[in-house]
Amino acid sequence: DTAVSQTPKYLVTQMGNDKSIKCEQNLGHDTMYWYKQDSKKFLKIMFSYNNKELIINETVPNRFSPKSPDKAHLNLHINSLELGDSAVYFCASSHRNYEQYFGPGTRLTVT
Amino acid sequence: GDSVTQMEGPVTLSEEAFLTINCTYTATGYPSLFWYVQYPGEGLQLLLKATKADDKGSNKGFEATYRKETTSFHLEKGSVQVSDSAVYFCALTVQGGSEKLVFGKGTKLTVNP
Repeated sequence: DTAVSQTPKYLVTQMGNDKSIKCEQNLGHDTMYWYKQDSKKFLKIMFSYNNKELIINETVPNRFSPKSPDKAHLNLHINSLELGDSAVYFCASSHRNYEQYFGPGTRLTVT
Repeated sequence: GDSVTQMEGPVTLSEEAFLTINCTYTATGYPSLFWYVQYPGEGLQLLLKATKADDKGSNKGFEATYRKETTSFHLEKGSVQVSDSAVYFCALTVQGGSEKLVFGKGTKLTVNP
C-alpha cells in the first residue's frame, strides 16, 4: 500500500565509501524527485526526473548521481561520502504540477 | 528567484489555543502554494494547497488563503491539539515552470496539554 517507499531508512557509513538509496513509487506518477533535509530541517531540491529524463539538477556535487531505470524508480548513488553529506534524503513523486507525495526519508550518517 | 519566507520557530502553544504561522513568497511566475507537515520521525505530508488567488485550502481544521495582493499564505487553526505538534513547511511551485517545490525553512510547533 505504501505510495512512495525508500530503502534503507537508516544508513550509517564511513567517509570515502560509496552508497545508494533506492526509491520506488506505485502511484503511476511520471515525475520523481530527490530532496535533501539538513540538520536545521531546511529542505532543498536536488534532482528531478520526468519519464526517466533528468529535468532538474540543482547545484549538487558530481559525487551524487541519480539513476532512473523506469518511471517508478529513482535511485540516488553517492560516491566518496563526506561528513557534510549527513542529512535526511527524501524521495517524492508527482503527476505534472500536482502535489508531490513524499517517502519516509533515509537518514544518512557519515562518520 | 523563487523563495518562501515563514516565521521562525519554535512556536509553543497550549491545547485549544489559536495558531497562526505566517508565510510570504516571491515568485517569478504564477505560483501554486502548499503547506506540508512533518511529524516527528516521519516524511512530509501535504496538509493543504491553493492554486490561484483567493483560493482557500483547508484540511484537518487548518486553513490558509492565497493572498496575491500581499503575497501571503498564512496557516491558521482555531484550536490546536497535542497531536498537531510537528514541523510545518510552506512551499510553492511555479505553474508552467520546473515543478520543483521551493520550501520555507519550517516552523516547529509544540502543543502542550
